[in-house]
Amino acid sequence: DAGVTQSPTHLIKTRGQHVTLRCSPISGHKSVSWYQQVLGQGPQFIFQYYEKEERGRGNFPDRFSARQFPNYSSELNVNALLLGDSALYLCASSRRQGEDQPQHFGDGTRLSIL
Amino acid sequence: GDSVTQMEGPVTLSEEAFLTINCTYTATGYPSLFWYVQYPGEGLQLLLKATKADDKGSNKGFEATYRKETTSFHLEKGSVQVSDSAVYFCALRTQGGSEKLVFGKGMKLTVNP
Repeated sequence: DAGVTQSPTHLIKTRGQHVTLRCSPISGHKSVSWYQQVLGQGPQFIFQYYEKEERGRGNFPDRFSARQFPNYSSELNVNALLLGDSALYLCASSRRQGEDQPQHFGDGTRLSIL
Repeated sequence: GDSVTQMEGPVTLSEEAFLTINCTYTATGYPSLFWYVQYPGEGLQLLLKATKADDKGSNKGFEATYRKETTSFHLEKGSVQVSDSAVYFCALRTQGGSEKLVFGKGMKLTVNP
């Protein structure tokens, strides 16, 4: 089975633009989470969606939004990009909501803001 | 709030050396604890986990024991290999609610032949 797939792998934007990142979970997985990993730091939680509903939100501004589609894929949108948004954005999926469900990560989208 | 503190490195070891990466946490309730590994240019891979006190997680020669009394989850391996070179992250997930993982800052390990 394919793992978590994210697109694009790399992206370059300028300040003020907006960006959409995409994630396809592992087949059969219904939960998707997004993380931001700034260079040299651990990932920071942005959102979690399960069965197309938001189940968790991290401490990020309203410029960040996400949604989950009926096929469980997900999009992360960031508006009015700032230099500080430059990071690796990771998507993780799990089979269902539950403490014993391991999260599987994709390879990420590297976003660079000029 | 919940937090994870871990050794930051970077650390360089020779092949077959003993490895310990310290990790302590602060959380309400009884979190699940994880070690993830990130190889260059890749996402995170789950290395091992423990869901309750005194549980020992193990995988690929790595071990970590959930110590509630010291709020710790130190990672150990008796003999590292060059292929273990990566960044290691300690993380926790609190009970209930979302599947949010809280990560430490990570520790870069380089193993030389």
